[in-house]
Amino acid sequence: GENVEQHPSTLSVQEGDSAVIKCTYSDSASNYFPWYKQELGKRPQLIIDIRSNVGEKKDQRIAVTLNKTAKHFSLHITETQPEDSAVYFCAASVNGNQFYFGTGTSLTVIP
Amino acid sequence: NAGVMQNPRHLVRRRGQEARLRCSPMKGHSHVYWYRQLPEEGLKFMVYLQKENIIDESGMPKERFSAEFPKEGPSILRIQQVVRGDSAAYFCASSPPTLGNTEAFFGQGTRLTVV
Repeated sequence: GENVEQHPSTLSVQEGDSAVIKCTYSDSASNYFPWYKQELGKRPQLIIDIRSNVGEKKDQRIAVTLNKTAKHFSLHITETQPEDSAVYFCAASVNGNQFYFGTGTSLTVIP
Repeated sequence: NAGVMQNPRHLVRRRGQEARLRCSPMKGHSHVYWYRQLPEEGLKFMVYLQKENIIDESGMPKERFSAEFPKEGPSILRIQQVVRGDSAAYFCASSPPTLGNTEAFFGQGTRLTVV
């Protein structure tokens, strides 16, 4: 089965700086890669996703890149704000059937 | 569309009792996934179901845990003879039956406490 690894497990940045979270996957058949944000005590919510036919996607301060050859994808948050503090999970999926999650990154943005 | 609904939100059980966790997927969704989350840990896959079928239960403990998604009604995650180590947040997620890449939507979770 798919194995998704995520790094770092914790990340602290100063407000306004950028944050980068990286994930690798093992199954070359995976073609859909969502990122979820989970605030304390709440449900994970999708913040951005990327499909295997593109290498990069951007939505305001959030961007995701995908390198299919190397089997890794990354989340980039620019101009971080305190409300970005949360746990972020990456996931890999084949055609939206079954989702394998990384172990999560706890991001703290220091005001 | 009410989103993915889980109930109860909080469940307290004594050791040895049974816990039943319910998940109603979003309207039109036929894929349901159950995940377990321990405090400050990630989402551990448990089981993937489609209507009336278990597709992948490789993450389910072999004993005491079972799941179903009947033709009518919610998906049920059942834990028999609960132990303290079962205390966790249990999230379900659902996705539509369409082929292709679609996101999974999560419910609010059920926080199980075994005392």
